[in-house]
Amino acid sequence: DVVMTQTPVSLSLAIGQPASISCKSSQSLLGTSGKTFLNWILQRPGQSPKRLIYQVSKLYSEVPDRFSGSGSETEFTLKISRVEAEDLGVYYCWQGTHFPLTFGSGTKLEIK
Amino acid sequence: QIQLVQSGPEVKKPGESVKISCKASGYTFTQAGMQWLKQAQGKSLKWMGWINTNTGKTTYAADFTGRFVFSLETSASTAYLQITNLKNEDMATYFCARWDLDYWGQGVMVTVSS
Repeated sequence: DVVMTQTPVSLSLAIGQPASISCKSSQSLLGTSGKTFLNWILQRPGQSPKRLIYQVSKLYSEVPDRFSGSGSETEFTLKISRVEAEDLGVYYCWQGTHFPLTFGSGTKLEIK
Repeated sequence: QIQLVQSGPEVKKPGESVKISCKASGYTFTQAGMQWLKQAQGKSLKWMGWINTNTGKTTYAADFTGRFVFSLETSASTAYLQITNLKNEDMATYFCARWDLDYWGQGVMVTVSS
C-alpha cells in the first residue's frame, strides 16, 4: 500500500498568517493516464470531511482561492495564504492513483 | 444539491450485526460509485472499498473482507454497509462518499459494547 506521510502533525496560527502542510507518498502518484490523483480534504470538528483540492492543484468551485496545492510524483504541499477562523480542523491528503486508496495521518490546524 | 444522508447511530453488542444506509439525492445514483470509509475515534480515515452503483460489483480492501458487505437498493438511490459478527475493533464512524470523495455522508457512529 502507498504510505502517505503528512507534516506537521499540528499547526497553531493566528488569523491572517500563512499555512503550509506537506504530504509525501511512498511511491509516485503519477498514474498511467498522466494524471496525479493526490487530493486534499478538510474535516472540521464534529463534521464529515469536505473536499478541497483534487489532482494536486485543482480547487473545487466553492473553495476560496487562498487555498492552493502543488507538487508532483511523491511530494506535495497544501498552502493557505492567509488563515481564517473557518479553516480550523484536520487536513488530510489522500491518494487515488493506486488501490487501495490511502490517507495521510492528518494535520490539525488550530487558530490562536 | 448533491447530498448523501446516512442512517443514525448504532449501539450493538459483540457478535451482533449492523446495517448502515446511505441515501443519495441530487444526482443520478448509478453514475458514480460509492465508497465506504472507516474512522476510529481520533484516527485518520481508512478506505474499506467501493460498490459500482451501475453493476453492483463490489471491491473490498484487504482488511474488510468476510464480515463486511456492500449492497444497493438502486430504486431508492441507497447504498448499504452491513457488518456481521461485530468486534470491539469495529467501533468507529463509518462514512459513505461518492467515487471521487467529493461528497460525503454525515457518518454513522457504531458503538460496540457488551
